[in-house]
Amino acid sequence: QKEVEQDPGPLSVPEGAIVSLNCTYSNSAFQYFMWYRQYSRKGPELLMYTYSSGNKEDGRFTAQVDKSSKYISLFIRDSQPSDSATYLCAMSEGDYKLSFGAGTTVTVRA
Amino acid sequence: EAGVAQSPRYKIIEKRQSVAFWCNPISGHATLYWYQQILGQGPKLLIQFQNNGVVDDSQLPKDRFSAERLKGVDSTLKIQPAKLEDSAVYLCASSLLILGAGELFFGEGSRLTVL
Repeated sequence: QKEVEQDPGPLSVPEGAIVSLNCTYSNSAFQYFMWYRQYSRKGPELLMYTYSSGNKEDGRFTAQVDKSSKYISLFIRDSQPSDSATYLCAMSEGDYKLSFGAGTTVTVRA
Repeated sequence: EAGVAQSPRYKIIEKRQSVAFWCNPISGHATLYWYQQILGQGPKLLIQFQNNGVVDDSQLPKDRFSAERLKGVDSTLKIQPAKLEDSAVYLCASSLLILGAGELFFGEGSRLTVL
């Protein structure tokens, strides 16, 4: 069993739709939960970061963590074509060594 | 602020040949990482440096991969001899700290194709 499992996708949605991305994990020692966005042929860039259960909002993005279920989600509201990218969930025990999911590729159709 | 610089961006070699990738992290970042990202997978940590010392190289295939970070700044990752399964993007990242949490800054990657 992989340490981090991510819904594989790909996802294709119309502009304005809500995008829902999910990851599960098995390591109870994970304390920090991140979402990275990776555009084609670019390096990942940090999108959202949280360390507690519950929701965190940043503009159109909401990160949700449920430590009891070992489940994290990212929601993108009012999706735009510029949101088309691969989204990677990542987790760490607090030492910057990230364990990544495999990524979900999202395409937002204009 | 300049980002993480990597070169070359693309490299095509035949199996059993050698290749080297270079990384210059963000100025002042003490911690440097090399990740391997195979197509369709998330990045996997190969090696982590704190200044010029190795913190974690448990997932580095040491029979063929080597890495160094001289003077605690630039780093080089070498593969010799390359195998077909080494085809991947090699991502360099840096961070200001080693403990706690925060942002890892990634370069654009070096894409290796082994024929």
